[in-house]
Amino acid sequence: KNQVEQSPQSLIILEGKNCTLQCNYTVSPFSNLRWYKQDTGRGPVSLTIMTFSENTKSNGRYTATLDADTKQSSLHITASQLSDSASYICVVSGAGGSYIPTFGRGTSLIVHP
Amino acid sequence: EAQVTQNPRYLITVTGKKLTVTCSQNMNHEYMSWYRQDPGLGLRQIYYSMNVEVTDKGDVPEGYKVSRKEKRNFPLILESPSPNQTSLYFCASSLYGGNTEAFFGQGTRLTVV
Repeated sequence: KNQVEQSPQSLIILEGKNCTLQCNYTVSPFSNLRWYKQDTGRGPVSLTIMTFSENTKSNGRYTATLDADTKQSSLHITASQLSDSASYICVVSGAGGSYIPTFGRGTSLIVHP
Repeated sequence: EAQVTQNPRYLITVTGKKLTVTCSQNMNHEYMSWYRQDPGLGLRQIYYSMNVEVTDKGDVPEGYKVSRKEKRNFPLILESPSPNQTSLYFCASSLYGGNTEAFFGQGTRLTVV
């Protein structure tokens, strides 16, 4: 069964610090991996998409990496801000068929001033 | 403005009273889906639809029904709600299958007493 595991489950950091969130998956064959940011009480919003041939992709202070061989991805947040407090969800889509995505349970990030 | 609109945002109902949560998208997306989100469990897919008149079960379909008579609308129906269906529900749409970016609605917080 396809699975997406995220770690840590929750994380508390001080404003201005960096942090890295992890995502491991077993989805095969692989199509793409997305990181979503979900503010409390709102729907998730896509941050980045990684395809098989991509190793690194940045979106402002967010940098995602992908190692398709080990089936691992990370999301690095630089110089965190209070507005980064949210849940970050890793979603992996398989290739072929209906491309049904598999969701991780998310990492809850709290940034303290 | 491109968006996914869910209604209502909040709903409190009693056990057994049929209800419908509406979802509409204005992006001409083919793929639409419903998710429920519970603490510690992340987003779980209830049903999805690849196109008009094509629907299929997700991971947690029991107690729910859907229909896709028009491309833009994908209502979620609870024929006989029970307290274990108390949750935060999200509708999402994407251009094609799950490997394209999902756009989420604002969420519907349902309480069944």
